[in-house]
Amino acid sequence: AQSVTQLGSHVSVSEGALVLLRCNYSSSVPPYLFWYVQYPNQGLQLLLKYTTGATLVKGINGFEAEFKKSETSFHLTKPSAHMSDAAEYFCAVRVYNSGGYQKVTFGTGTKLQVIP
Amino acid sequence: ETGVTQTPRHLVMGMTNKKSLKCEQHLGHNAMYWYKQSAKKPLELMFVYSLEERVENNSVPSRFSPECPNSSHLFLHLHTLQPEDSALYLCASSQVAGGSAGYTFGSGTRLTVV
Repeated sequence: AQSVTQLGSHVSVSEGALVLLRCNYSSSVPPYLFWYVQYPNQGLQLLLKYTTGATLVKGINGFEAEFKKSETSFHLTKPSAHMSDAAEYFCAVRVYNSGGYQKVTFGTGTKLQVIP
Repeated sequence: ETGVTQTPRHLVMGMTNKKSLKCEQHLGHNAMYWYKQSAKKPLELMFVYSLEERVENNSVPSRFSPECPNSSHLFLHLHTLQPEDSALYLCASSQVAGGSAGYTFGSGTRLTVV
């Protein structure tokens, strides 16, 4: 089975502190991996994606993620949290269904709280 | 402006009503999707359309009926819903079916069934 697991449904950090949101995946094929952000009363917005090539991927708003095949991880980081980063973050992986058709499956999300 | 517009933003309907959700994308994408987002549950993929053909239907009850008249528009027709159908319904689009380049989401329709 191909899936993604986000560790921690809620994470709190102080403003200016490091943000680390964890994601582990399982995939029988080379994965495409994504991070999305959802602000209150909004849809999801693509933060960054890994397909092939460089394993450190930079996204919008100062976020980045590193693909580590040996650890089957794709953790999201930001060196210094800002109040505007408070949102819910979703990790996602491209999977194939039984018909060989590809689609993206999402993790359960991690709510980030930023404390002033 | 995300490029994917959903209307209405909020909808309250009775269990015997018929209503429709609308989604429009201005990105020239070839695939469109309906997702259901409920509290404390992962996003649930409901339907996938590629070049106006339905390519996936994830065992969604027949009280939900999708329609894709062209590659820019997607509808979700609702009838005789249940209270457990209350959720945020998200529309998304992607350049090609499968979303391997990433999705663009609309802001969603918050549906409440009373």
